[in-house]
Amino acid sequence: AQKVTQAQTEISVVEKEDVTLDCVYETRDTTYYLFWYKQPPSGELVFLIRRNSFDEQNEISGRYSWNFQKSTSSFNFTITASQVVDSAVYFCALSEGPGNQFYFGTGTSLTVIP
Amino acid sequence: GAVVSQHPSRVICKSGTSVKIECRSLDFQATTMFWYRQFPKQSLMLMATSNEGSKATYEQGVEKDKFLINHASLTLSTLTVTSAHPEDSSFYICSAQGQGWLGGYTFGSGTRLTVV
Repeated sequence: AQKVTQAQTEISVVEKEDVTLDCVYETRDTTYYLFWYKQPPSGELVFLIRRNSFDEQNEISGRYSWNFQKSTSSFNFTITASQVVDSAVYFCALSEGPGNQFYFGTGTSLTVIP
Repeated sequence: GAVVSQHPSRVICKSGTSVKIECRSLDFQATTMFWYRQFPKQSLMLMATSNEGSKATYEQGVEKDKFLINHASLTLSTLTVTSAHPEDSSFYICSAQGQGWLGGYTFGSGTRLTVV
């Protein structure tokens, strides 16, 4: 069965600090997709990244970077030089592919203190 | 890019009444729609999956007679919460799936339902 674990429930950092959000997943599928979403207080899910199981290259987008390691079934998300606007709940999610549901982690609430 | 519109964004209703939530794919055909529910400070849990023109498939523990889902067209799915009770107060969010990832697999902006 698919499962996504985000062990960190809440994290607080001071502005400009770097922060890493952990995500560990379980699946028996060889093809799967991993996602990160940001959920601000308004509730909508903001898409951050999608990764397929065959692409383990790390990715960087501005202050955001992702580290995908199949050997440890982890897909961690790092925010560099955090800003107050980064404060939100972040969800890691897993899907078997188009047409399949998302399995969400329990989310990590990030607070960036000015 | 693919856009999913969900309405209303916020609704307050009296206990015992019904509420309809709409989810529309604006620029693609959504062959499958998913409805999720999120209680405060919790994760999103799948309630049901609907394919256009067929009956929805509900997750275990979700009452199909209480949460009516209609997916009558390739661009519209509705979730009706019937005889709502305060425990149904939650954040409901839809997700639409088109042809592959490129066809869109995006989430609506969610509906915050409060039953008083």
